[in-house]
Amino acid sequence: GQQLNQSPQSMFIQEGEDVSMNCTSSSIFNTWLWYKQDPGEGPVLLIALYKAGELTSNGRLTAQFGITRKDSFLNISASIPSDVGIYFCAGRPPNSGGSNYKLTFGKGTLLTVNP
Amino acid sequence: KAGVTQTPRYLIKTRGQQVTLSCSPISGHRSVSWYQQTPGQGLQFLFEYFSETQRNKGNFPGRFSGRQFSNSRSEMNVSTLELGDSALYLCASSLTGPQYEQYFGPGTRLTVT
Repeated sequence: GQQLNQSPQSMFIQEGEDVSMNCTSSSIFNTWLWYKQDPGEGPVLLIALYKAGELTSNGRLTAQFGITRKDSFLNISASIPSDVGIYFCAGRPPNSGGSNYKLTFGKGTLLTVNP
Repeated sequence: KAGVTQTPRYLIKTRGQQVTLSCSPISGHRSVSWYQQTPGQGLQFLFEYFSETQRNKGNFPGRFSGRQFSNSRSEMNVSTLELGDSALYLCASSLTGPQYEQYFGPGTRLTVT
C-alpha cells in the first residue's frame, strides 16, 4: 500500500524559532491533511489542502500542497511552548472510494519546544 | 457543535477478556473510522462504517470487530484480548467518508495485563 515518509522524526527547538516538517510519497495524493496530537489526546485537524500548489495558513501555521502532488510541508513560525506535540500528515490517494475509504498517515514528527 | 466523544477514556483488562469501546460522532457525520495507535506502529486503520455498513477494513485479525447504529454511533469490540492489544484506540468521524476531513475523538486508552 501507499506510504508517507514524514520527517524529521523529532525536533528539539528553542521558543521563538521557526519549524519546518514535511511528508513525501512515491505516489500522488489528492488531499493532504495536517494534524497535531497532544499526549493522551486524539489528533486535532490543523490544516486541509485540496489542490496542488495550494498554500494555506492557520495562525502561525502554514502548509503547502506540493506541485508534484507527492509531498506537503508544514511550517510553524515563532514557536511557543504549547506547540509541543506530535504532528501528523495524512493523505488521500486518488480514487478513494469503493473499497478504499481511508487516509494514509505518516508516522509523525515529535516537536519539543524549550522555553 | 459537540466534537467526537469516546467512552470510556481508560480501561484495564486482563488477557482473554473482551472489551467494547463506544464512539459518538459529530452530529451530522455519517462515517466513523477506528484506528489503533501504538508507539511503534503509529496510527493503524481498523475499519470504517457508513450508514451501518462496514465499507473498509484494515489488516487486523477477526478478534477486532465493530458496528454502527442508525444514529451513527459506533462500537468496536475486541475479543480474547492479548497483551499486544494495549494501545490508544481512536475514533474519527467525517461527513461522507474518511478520505476527506476526519475529526478525532480523545481516544480510549486500553491496557491489557
